[in-house]
Amino acid sequence: DTAVSQTPKYLVTQMGNDKSIKCEQNLGHDTMYWYKQDSKKFLKIMFSYNNKELIINETVPNRFSPKSPDKAHLNLHINSLELGDSAVYFCASSQVTGMNTEAFFGQGTRLTVV
Amino acid sequence: AQSVTQLGSHVSVSEGALVLLRCNYSSSVPPYLFWYVQYPNQGLQLLLKYTTGATLVKGINGFEAEFKKSETSFHLTKPSAHMSDAAEYFCAVSEGPAGFNKFYFGSGTKLNVKP
Repeated sequence: DTAVSQTPKYLVTQMGNDKSIKCEQNLGHDTMYWYKQDSKKFLKIMFSYNNKELIINETVPNRFSPKSPDKAHLNLHINSLELGDSAVYFCASSQVTGMNTEAFFGQGTRLTVV
Repeated sequence: AQSVTQLGSHVSVSEGALVLLRCNYSSSVPPYLFWYVQYPNQGLQLLLKYTTGATLVKGINGFEAEFKKSETSFHLTKPSAHMSDAAEYFCAVSEGPAGFNKFYFGSGTKLNVKP
């Protein structure tokens, strides 16, 4: 049973298109994240939601819009895709309370903009 | 604010040799510290974590790490490297519950294991 699942795993699209990446977690966690991993493997947080509320919004272009319909889902919509958006996007979840405070990661979505 | 520095973007060891991956952090509050491993085309998998209590923590696959507050370090070690340990390793710090678990990652260390 996959704990954090994201779809699609691979996404190739042209510049200017709009695309979405979906994420679901079945761990009952109350916090979800989107991270971007660039070509040098650097991981940078983009957004974090706690119980469907946005709590972290790093300096990300407003072409990126997260949406959390419920606390088990956090989707990422990207408008007007640019070449520089090519990266691997990871969804993650964690539980704020208690000692199990690590983040659980999905398998990643490799986005290639051509 | 938190930050993480991993010294050495690439580390190469022979099979059976000691693995040492370095991680230093800065944190304005008592940190929670983590090591994750990423295999090619995979997500990140937790190796081990330090939250409170014993400063030497043991994780999966024979890895362990020691939290040294005075040195602001959380180096990862394994006594004997195995070929299957070849992967990218990430150190991370979070503020814990007070900071809604915002995780800061180091730039990663790629471990190569030679036969």
